[in-house]
Amino acid sequence: DTGVSQNPRHKITKRGQNVTFRCDPISEHNRLYWYRQTLGQGPEFLTYFQNEAQLEKSRLLSDRFSAERPKGSFSTLEIQRTEQGDSAMYLCASSSQSTGGATDTQYFGPGTRLTVL
Amino acid sequence: AQSVTQLGSHVSVSEGALVLLRCNYSSSVPPYLFWYVQYPNQGLQLLLKYTSAATLVKGINGFEAEFKKSETSFHLTKPSAHMSDAAEYFCAVSSGNTPLVFGKGTRLSVIA
Repeated sequence: DTGVSQNPRHKITKRGQNVTFRCDPISEHNRLYWYRQTLGQGPEFLTYFQNEAQLEKSRLLSDRFSAERPKGSFSTLEIQRTEQGDSAMYLCASSSQSTGGATDTQYFGPGTRLTVL
Repeated sequence: AQSVTQLGSHVSVSEGALVLLRCNYSSSVPPYLFWYVQYPNQGLQLLLKYTSAATLVKGINGFEAEFKKSETSFHLTKPSAHMSDAAEYFCAVSSGNTPLVFGKGTRLSVIA
């Protein structure tokens, strides 16, 4: 178990550029979550997948944000036409869906810090 | 809808003193409650979670939390603070296999 990994760890871009972040979950985990964390705030949920199916995407901040998990393994989060307000830490978490109504435990990656100039 | 309120954005304690970080939740269904810790430039690490079993939950690094339904609280405590406990602490709630809703966090400082 190598944990959740995210790449890159840091990304600096100019306003208007597109950026893509990658998340590799813990290998046996079927659920994958994306969160955004701004300075002084707790993580804010964006979207999540169960295997390759995106179960919730209404919380994505705008239509400039999109996420994929094509083979149910790694996931990418893309932001098109970046704005300065997109500067934040983007966190990925994974979990193994529990049965019987129990809750799963989400394990977080180190995050990708985006700075939009 | 669910929400979490963490009272105190910054708590400062002396080394060896009691740590108490406050969390109150709002949930229309039986909640699952979590405490995560975040060290600088790192991701979140799970300290402990409440899943409707025992109301007193023990976690890693000597932390524990007590679920009090009547007070809608899930405060985090540690009897004796250590310098290495200095970090940001987040309380979170979910209703099962759903995304977490986090509080704004409490930064813990430990004074030698």
